[in-house]
Amino acid sequence: SQTIHQWPATLVQPVGSPLSLECTVEGTSNPNLYWYRQAAGRGLQLLFYSVGIGQISSEVPQNLSASRPQDRQFILSSKKLLLSDSGFYLCAWSVPTGRNYGYTFGSGTRLTVV
Amino acid sequence: GIQVEQSPPDLILQEGANSTLRCNFSDSVNNLQWFHQNPWGQLINLFYIPSGTKQNGRLSATTVATERYSLLYISSSQTTDSGVYFCAVEGGGSNYKLTFGKGTLLTVNP
Repeated sequence: SQTIHQWPATLVQPVGSPLSLECTVEGTSNPNLYWYRQAAGRGLQLLFYSVGIGQISSEVPQNLSASRPQDRQFILSSKKLLLSDSGFYLCAWSVPTGRNYGYTFGSGTRLTVV
Repeated sequence: GIQVEQSPPDLILQEGANSTLRCNFSDSVNNLQWFHQNPWGQLINLFYIPSGTKQNGRLSATTVATERYSLLYISSSQTTDSGVYFCAVEGGGSNYKLTFGKGTLLTVNP
């Protein structure tokens, strides 16, 4: 069965420090991968998505970047964190065709920038 | 882009009560999912339901795609049902983008 792993679960980082969040998927090939952010309150916003290795699409301009160095690995990065980068970051995957299963989310990383 | 509206924004129930959560969307959809966000923040997939009706235990969902709405029914609610329920859709012209509603915060009191 397919599983999605995301780490770390929580992170406290000072302003100006770098960031690297990792997400991996097991049990499937060539998944579509996504990074979402949930700020204080409820809304979830799509940050990046990827349909293949090295293929990244950005939904909103921001201080973050994403990379997909391997088929089932998706990394969210920043060179210098801002206070406004605090939030709950969720990785997700979906099958590229068929869409019979929808999106599956990881357990999330709670980032606090201080 | 596609708009997703959920109602009610907040709902308080006594244990054992039934409830109906609604999701309206503004355009045709390829995908519609209902999620429950637990106290630890994880999004649990309840239903993948772009059309039709599904049931899973005390939960059921119906999507009427032609009228652009979906309903989530919770019967005999339990305190563990508390949390935020999200409806999310992938519009017909918006591949690779799941757009979320603002959620319904459900509180079930013992």
